Amino acid sequence: GAGVSQTPSNKVTEKGKYVELRCDPISGHTALYWYRQSLGQGPEFLIYFQGTGAADDSGLPNDRFFAVRPEGSVSTLKIQRTERGDSAVYLCASSLAAGRTYEQYFGPGTRLTVT
Amino acid sequence: TQLLEQSPQFLSIQEGENLTVYCNSSSVFSSLQWYRQEPGEGPVLLVTVVTGGEVKKLKRLTFQFGDARKDSSLHITAAQPGDTGLYLCAGARNTDKLIFGTGTRLQVFP
Repeated sequence: GAGVSQTPSNKVTEKGKYVELRCDPISGHTALYWYRQSLGQGPEFLIYFQGTGAADDSGLPNDRFFAVRPEGSVSTLKIQRTERGDSAVYLCASSLAAGRTYEQYFGPGTRLTVT
Repeated sequence: TQLLEQSPQFLSIQEGENLTVYCNSSSVFSSLQWYRQEPGEGPVLLVTVVTGGEVKKLKRLTFQFGDARKDSSLHITAAQPGDTGLYLCAGARNTDKLIFGTGTRLQVFP
């Protein structure tokens, strides 16, 4: 079956612009996670959804970052007024349900470059 | 603040050698996972350990969770070029989000 897919795979934008990153989770997975991975580092948690609601958004760095999952499936991470420090790979993961016993399956990521 | 520190950060070895990667923290985790990530891809789960002192084996890979559930190790026996990649530990505490370690980049030369 299809795994987690993310689009676009690469995004180059100018400082100050608005970007949207999309995640299509595995069908039937109710939990969806967003992480950010800077070069040479491990992924850093941003936010996770259980269904349509954000269960934990404590990792969002500031109010320029926002994520939605209106129908409990596809999610969009939105970044306003992008800064060069936002450049990173943004990873999405999904699992059957939220909880430490459920494996998270990761997508290939979107590489965001802010020039 | 990085809660999980991995060492070494980089490791280059010849095929057939053994190696150990360490994942250390001052915090207690309810479970700890090890992932492997290849360039251009997301991390893939290798194992989950939940009990202090637990040892799990996956072919040539041996994973151990410290007795106090603050640290873990990954030992690879007779490394092969196919083991090359970024190895990440990730801990879960009282919430469902994962806290990832700093990563160990392994290169195995034939």
